[in-house]
Amino acid sequence: QVQLQESGPGLVKPSETLSLTCTVSGGSVSSGSYYWSWIRQSPGKGLEWIGYIYYSGSTNYNPSLKSRVTISVDTSKNQFSLKLSSVTTADTAVYHCARHDVFRRCFDSWGQGTLVTVSS
Amino acid sequence: QSALTQPASVSGSPGQSITISCTGTSSDVGGYNYVSWYQQHPGKAPKLMIYEVSNRPSGVSNRFSGSKSGNTASLTISGLQAEDEADYYCSSCATSTTVLFGGGTKLTVL
Repeated sequence: QVQLQESGPGLVKPSETLSLTCTVSGGSVSSGSYYWSWIRQSPGKGLEWIGYIYYSGSTNYNPSLKSRVTISVDTSKNQFSLKLSSVTTADTAVYHCARHDVFRRCFDSWGQGTLVTVSS
Repeated sequence: QSALTQPASVSGSPGQSITISCTGTSSDVGGYNYVSWYQQHPGKAPKLMIYEVSNRPSGVSNRFSGSKSGNTASLTISGLQAEDEADYYCSSCATSTTVLFGGGTKLTVL
């Protein structure tokens, strides 16, 4: 059974870049059946799709975040990563990584999530 | 792209049935049969409950069912149980490459 685990700093200063990594076990980021995704949840709010990457490196991003987001994949480490630049307090959220089934177009496995707080 | 519209809260008594709606537009919910539903207990990761409008993943109770009419999708939970109390989110493709979520619905089992 695939497992996903987020890691990275829990505190980021305003205007800096948020960086998170998702480590995948029990499955391969090189599988052609999945996109590898980032989703966030602001305190007390709903889910917001950030974007996803295919094993080939092809990416798709939420238009509202596109100018600040970069998602990359490292197949040798079975990991994928998120960078969000120029953060503000509005970017404070629990960040989840998730696996998105290419064919069923749904998120079928999720990481527990990691809280990132933007504060000086 | 705006979030899909869900009621903020619904409630029901054990054994009853409830339905949660998810309203979008012809560019998302109405345009694709790729609506999915997720259950989230406090402090936990979301769990896939329904995909492709009405399909249940292996291991999900058949008390959970999904449907769609026009631009509105629905999740129905029958035979409500205490452990169903959670937040529920719908999701839909918004284009061939992007995804929208609903704002979430808090289900209270009375």
